[in-house]
Amino acid sequence: GENVEQHPSTLSVQEGDSAVIKCTYSDSASNYFPWYKQELGKGPQLIIDIRSNVGEKKDQRIAVTLNKTAKHFSLHITETQPEDSAVYFCAASSYNTDKLIFGTGTRLQVFP
Amino acid sequence: DAGVIQSPRHEVTEMGQEVTLRCKPISGHNSLFWYRQTMMRGLELLIYFNNNVPIDDSGMPEDRFSAKMPNASFSTLKIQPSEPRDSAVYFCASSPRTRNNEQFFGPGTRLTVL
Repeated sequence: GENVEQHPSTLSVQEGDSAVIKCTYSDSASNYFPWYKQELGKGPQLIIDIRSNVGEKKDQRIAVTLNKTAKHFSLHITETQPEDSAVYFCAASSYNTDKLIFGTGTRLQVFP
Repeated sequence: DAGVIQSPRHEVTEMGQEVTLRCKPISGHNSLFWYRQTMMRGLELLIYFNNNVPIDDSGMPEDRFSAKMPNASFSTLKIQPSEPRDSAVYFCASSPRTRNNEQFFGPGTRLTVL
Protein backbone atom coordinates (compact mmCIF):
# COMPACT_ATOMS: atom_id res chain seq x y z
CA GLY A 1 0.00 0.00 0.00
CA GLU A 2 0.83 3.67 -0.13
CA ASN A 3 3.42 5.05 2.27
CA VAL A 4 4.08 8.76 2.77
CA GLU A 5 7.22 10.04 4.45
CA GLN A 6 7.49 13.63 5.65
CA HIS A 7 10.49 15.72 6.69
CA PRO A 8 11.45 17.48 8.83
CA SER A 9 9.47 16.57 11.93
CA THR A 10 10.10 20.01 13.44
CA LEU A 11 11.03 23.29 11.81
CA SER A 12 11.80 26.62 13.45
CA VAL A 13 12.11 29.80 11.41
CA GLN A 14 12.28 33.51 12.02
CA GLU A 15 9.28 35.60 11.05
CA GLY A 16 9.62 36.67 7.44
CA ASP A 17 11.77 33.70 6.44
CA SER A 18 10.63 30.88 4.19
CA ALA A 19 9.74 27.35 5.29
CA VAL A 20 9.87 24.20 3.20
CA ILE A 21 8.38 20.82 4.09
CA LYS A 22 9.04 17.78 1.94
CA CYS A 23 7.15 14.53 1.39
CA THR A 24 7.78 11.40 -0.61
CA TYR A 25 5.24 8.78 -1.62
CA SER A 26 5.60 5.18 -2.74
CA ASP A 27 2.57 4.45 -4.93
CA SER A 28 3.09 5.62 -8.51
CA ALA A 29 -0.70 5.53 -8.96
CA SER A 30 -1.13 8.40 -6.48
CA ASN A 31 -2.57 11.45 -8.21
CA TYR A 32 -3.85 13.76 -5.48
CA PHE A 33 -1.67 15.48 -2.89
CA PRO A 34 -3.31 17.72 -0.28
CA TRP A 35 -1.66 19.63 2.55
CA TYR A 36 -3.42 20.12 5.87
CA LYS A 37 -2.71 22.53 8.71
CA GLN A 38 -3.62 21.56 12.25
CA GLU A 39 -3.72 24.19 14.97
CA LEU A 40 -3.66 23.26 18.62
CA GLY A 41 -6.89 21.66 19.77
CA LYS A 42 -8.43 21.63 16.30
CA GLY A 43 -8.90 19.22 13.44
CA PRO A 44 -6.71 19.39 10.32
CA GLN A 45 -7.79 21.89 7.71
CA LEU A 46 -6.95 21.80 4.00
CA ILE A 47 -4.71 24.67 2.96
CA ILE A 48 -3.71 23.68 -0.58
CA ASP A 49 -3.75 20.64 -2.84
CA ILE A 50 -2.27 19.59 -6.14
CA ARG A 51 -3.16 16.95 -8.68
CA SER A 52 -0.74 14.93 -10.74
CA ASN A 53 -1.39 16.81 -13.96
CA VAL A 54 0.06 19.97 -12.43
CA GLY A 55 3.66 20.63 -11.39
CA GLU A 56 3.14 23.66 -9.18
CA LYS A 57 0.31 25.55 -7.54
CA LYS A 58 0.34 28.81 -5.61
CA ASP A 59 -2.06 30.52 -3.26
CA GLN A 60 -0.72 33.79 -1.89
CA ARG A 61 2.19 32.89 0.43
CA ILE A 62 1.75 29.15 0.01
CA ALA A 63 2.94 27.02 -2.89
CA VAL A 64 3.17 23.30 -3.55
CA THR A 65 5.42 21.59 -6.08
CA LEU A 66 5.15 18.05 -7.37
CA ASN A 67 7.81 15.89 -9.00
CA LYS A 68 6.08 12.76 -10.25
CA THR A 69 9.26 11.15 -11.52
CA ALA A 70 10.93 11.38 -8.13
CA LYS A 71 7.63 10.82 -6.28
CA HIS A 72 8.00 13.78 -4.03
CA PHE A 73 6.11 16.96 -3.33
CA SER A 74 6.86 19.98 -1.18
CA LEU A 75 5.08 22.78 0.64
CA HIS A 76 6.65 26.24 0.51
CA ILE A 77 5.56 29.04 2.82
CA THR A 78 7.07 32.45 2.14
CA GLU A 79 7.16 35.48 4.43
CA THR A 80 6.21 33.35 7.41
CA GLN A 81 4.14 34.87 10.19
CA PRO A 82 3.60 33.73 13.79
CA GLU A 83 0.10 32.56 12.90
CA ASP A 84 1.66 30.04 10.51
CA SER A 85 2.85 28.13 13.58
CA ALA A 86 1.05 24.78 13.53
CA VAL A 87 1.49 21.14 12.54
CA TYR A 88 1.41 20.54 8.80
CA PHE A 89 0.51 17.19 7.22
CA CYS A 90 0.99 16.07 3.66
CA ALA A 91 -1.15 13.29 2.24
CA ALA A 92 -1.52 11.23 -0.90
CA SER A 93 -4.36 9.44 -2.61
CA SER A 94 -4.79 7.52 -5.83
CA TYR A 95 -7.63 7.49 -8.34
CA ASN A 96 -8.82 4.03 -7.24
CA THR A 97 -9.34 4.82 -3.57
CA ASP A 98 -11.01 7.40 -1.35
CA LYS A 99 -8.38 6.99 1.33
CA LEU A 100 -5.88 9.70 2.19
CA ILE A 101 -2.56 8.41 3.50
CA PHE A 102 -1.05 11.04 5.76
CA GLY A 103 2.57 11.83 6.49
CA THR A 104 3.78 12.00 10.08
CA GLY A 105 3.50 15.76 10.34
CA THR A 106 5.86 18.74 10.69
CA ARG A 107 5.63 21.06 13.65
CA LEU A 108 6.42 24.56 12.37
CA GLN A 109 7.31 27.30 14.82
CA VAL A 110 7.65 30.87 13.59
CA PHE A 111 9.43 33.14 16.02
CA PRO A 112 8.69 36.88 16.00
CA ASP B 1 -22.70 25.82 7.79
CA ALA B 2 -21.84 24.40 11.21
CA GLY B 3 -19.13 22.13 9.89
CA VAL B 4 -18.59 18.57 11.11
CA ILE B 5 -19.92 18.17 14.63
CA GLN B 6 -18.43 15.68 17.08
CA SER B 7 -19.50 14.79 20.58
CA PRO B 8 -18.36 14.60 23.22
CA ARG B 9 -15.30 16.83 22.90
CA HIS B 10 -13.65 15.12 25.86
CA GLU B 11 -14.28 11.70 27.35
CA VAL B 12 -12.61 10.18 30.38
CA THR B 13 -13.52 6.62 31.22
CA GLU B 14 -12.20 3.62 33.05
CA MET B 15 -10.74 0.56 31.43
CA GLY B 16 -13.43 -1.94 30.50
CA GLN B 17 -16.16 0.63 29.96
CA GLU B 18 -18.00 1.13 26.68
CA VAL B 19 -17.29 4.36 24.84
CA THR B 20 -19.42 5.83 22.05
CA LEU B 21 -18.21 8.72 19.92
CA ARG B 22 -20.64 10.59 17.72
CA CYS B 23 -20.36 12.49 14.47
CA LYS B 24 -22.68 14.62 12.37
CA PRO B 25 -21.20 15.22 8.90
CA ILE B 26 -21.75 18.33 6.81
CA SER B 27 -25.13 18.21 5.13
CA GLY B 28 -24.89 16.94 1.57
CA HIS B 29 -21.58 15.16 2.06
CA ASN B 30 -21.76 11.51 1.19
CA SER B 31 -18.40 10.26 2.45
CA LEU B 32 -17.51 9.97 6.12
CA PHE B 33 -14.17 9.04 7.62
CA TRP B 34 -13.09 8.14 11.17
CA TYR B 35 -9.45 8.80 12.13
CA ARG B 36 -7.40 8.26 15.27
CA GLN B 37 -4.47 10.54 16.14
CA THR B 38 -1.70 9.67 18.57
CA MET B 39 1.85 10.91 19.01
CA MET B 40 3.26 7.47 18.25
CA ARG B 41 1.20 6.54 15.20
CA GLY B 42 0.15 9.91 13.80
CA LEU B 43 -3.14 10.21 11.91
CA GLU B 44 -4.62 6.81 11.08
CA LEU B 45 -7.74 6.11 9.06
CA LEU B 46 -9.94 3.64 10.93
CA ILE B 47 -12.93 3.27 8.61
CA TYR B 48 -14.84 5.19 5.96
CA PHE B 49 -18.34 5.16 4.57
CA ASN B 50 -19.77 6.11 1.18
CA ASN B 51 -23.51 6.79 1.11
CA ASN B 52 -23.81 5.27 4.61
CA VAL B 53 -22.15 2.00 3.54
CA PRO B 54 -18.84 0.94 5.12
CA ILE B 55 -16.27 0.69 2.35
CA ASP B 56 -12.97 0.03 4.06
CA ASP B 57 -12.56 -0.93 7.73
CA SER B 58 -9.03 -2.29 7.41
CA GLY B 59 -7.78 0.35 9.81
CA MET B 60 -10.02 -0.72 12.68
CA PRO B 61 -7.51 -2.02 15.23
CA GLU B 62 -9.50 -4.95 16.58
CA ASP B 63 -12.95 -6.32 17.21
CA ARG B 64 -13.42 -4.03 20.17
CA PHE B 65 -13.96 -1.22 17.69
CA SER B 66 -17.12 -0.88 15.64
CA ALA B 67 -18.66 1.92 13.58
CA LYS B 68 -22.11 2.53 12.20
CA MET B 69 -23.77 5.06 9.96
CA PRO B 70 -27.53 4.54 10.23
CA ASN B 71 -28.30 7.59 8.06
CA ALA B 72 -26.61 10.35 6.11
CA SER B 73 -26.46 12.71 9.07
CA PHE B 74 -25.11 10.54 11.87
CA SER B 75 -22.31 8.10 12.61
CA THR B 76 -20.95 6.45 15.73
CA LEU B 77 -17.66 4.86 16.67
CA LYS B 78 -17.91 2.46 19.58
CA ILE B 79 -15.16 0.90 21.66
CA GLN B 80 -16.16 -1.99 23.89
CA PRO B 81 -14.42 -2.73 26.16
CA SER B 82 -12.08 0.24 26.23
CA GLU B 83 -8.39 -0.08 27.13
CA PRO B 84 -5.78 2.52 28.13
CA ARG B 85 -4.03 2.13 24.76
CA ASP B 86 -7.19 3.44 23.08
CA SER B 87 -6.45 6.87 24.53
CA ALA B 88 -6.15 9.25 21.57
CA VAL B 89 -7.93 12.02 19.71
CA TYR B 90 -10.57 10.66 17.37
CA PHE B 91 -11.55 12.74 14.36
CA CYS B 92 -14.49 12.46 12.06
CA ALA B 93 -14.26 13.97 8.58
CA SER B 94 -16.72 14.27 5.74
CA SER B 95 -16.33 14.88 2.03
CA PRO B 96 -18.81 16.01 -0.62
CA ARG B 97 -17.96 13.17 -2.96
CA THR B 98 -15.47 10.43 -3.35
CA ARG B 99 -12.24 10.38 -5.28
CA ASN B 100 -9.83 13.11 -4.37
CA ASN B 101 -11.83 15.81 -2.68
CA GLU B 102 -11.24 17.88 0.37
CA GLN B 103 -12.02 16.21 3.65
CA PHE B 104 -13.53 18.48 6.27
CA PHE B 105 -12.48 17.50 9.77
CA GLY B 106 -14.44 17.91 12.97
CA PRO B 107 -12.86 19.27 16.16
CA GLY B 108 -12.14 15.78 17.48
CA THR B 109 -12.93 13.86 20.64
CA ARG B 110 -10.10 13.49 23.14
CA LEU B 111 -10.51 10.08 24.77
CA THR B 112 -8.69 9.14 27.93
CA VAL B 113 -9.03 5.59 29.24
CA LEU B 114 -7.74 5.17 32.79
